[in-house]
Amino acid sequence: SQTIHQWPATLVQPVGSPLSLECTVEGTSNPNLYWYRQAAGRGLQLLFYSVGIGQISSEVPQNLSASRPQDRQFILSSKKLLLSDSGFYLCAWSVGTSDTGELFFGEGSRLTVL
Amino acid sequence: GQNIDQPTEMTATEGAIVQINCTYQTSGFNGLFWYQQHAGEAPTFLSYNVLDGLEEKGRFSSFLSRSKGYSYLLLKELQMKDSASYLCAVTDSNYQLIWGAGTKLIIKP
Repeated sequence: SQTIHQWPATLVQPVGSPLSLECTVEGTSNPNLYWYRQAAGRGLQLLFYSVGIGQISSEVPQNLSASRPQDRQFILSSKKLLLSDSGFYLCAWSVGTSDTGELFFGEGSRLTVL
Repeated sequence: GQNIDQPTEMTATEGAIVQINCTYQTSGFNGLFWYQQHAGEAPTFLSYNVLDGLEEKGRFSSFLSRSKGYSYLLLKELQMKDSASYLCAVTDSNYQLIWGAGTKLIIKP
């Protein structure tokens, strides 16, 4: 069966510090991968998605970046965090050739920038 | 622009029935999802509708009317563990998911 894991689960970082959130998927090949952010009481905001190794699409301009060094690994990074980067970050995957686009989510990473 | 509307918050009583509505305006339509999200956790899949009509799955049912751009999630025999946010999401013509802000459902004893 397929599983998805992301870490760390909780992170408290000072403004201006770097960020690295990692996500891996097991049990499937060539998945579509996504990074979402969810601010308190808000909907899911798509940050990045990837349809293959090295292929990253950015949905919103920001100080975050994403990389996909391996087929089932997706990394969210920042060189200098802002207060507005605080939120709940979710990694997700979908079947590359899915007719529905159903997403399967990781456990989430709660980031607090102070 | 693309838009998904659902109520911000609803309150219901344990054992009762509640209907959560979702209306959408999107560029194309390739299906509608309902996800459940408990506080501090990731969303989990509840239902998927691509054709008009009612899909029933245990205590939960989801209805879709494509001509009206409308869906609802019906929860029966409410339990305290059903307290969560319920997210409506539509797959557009590019197979991208457009998300509503979610409806927080509060269940009272």
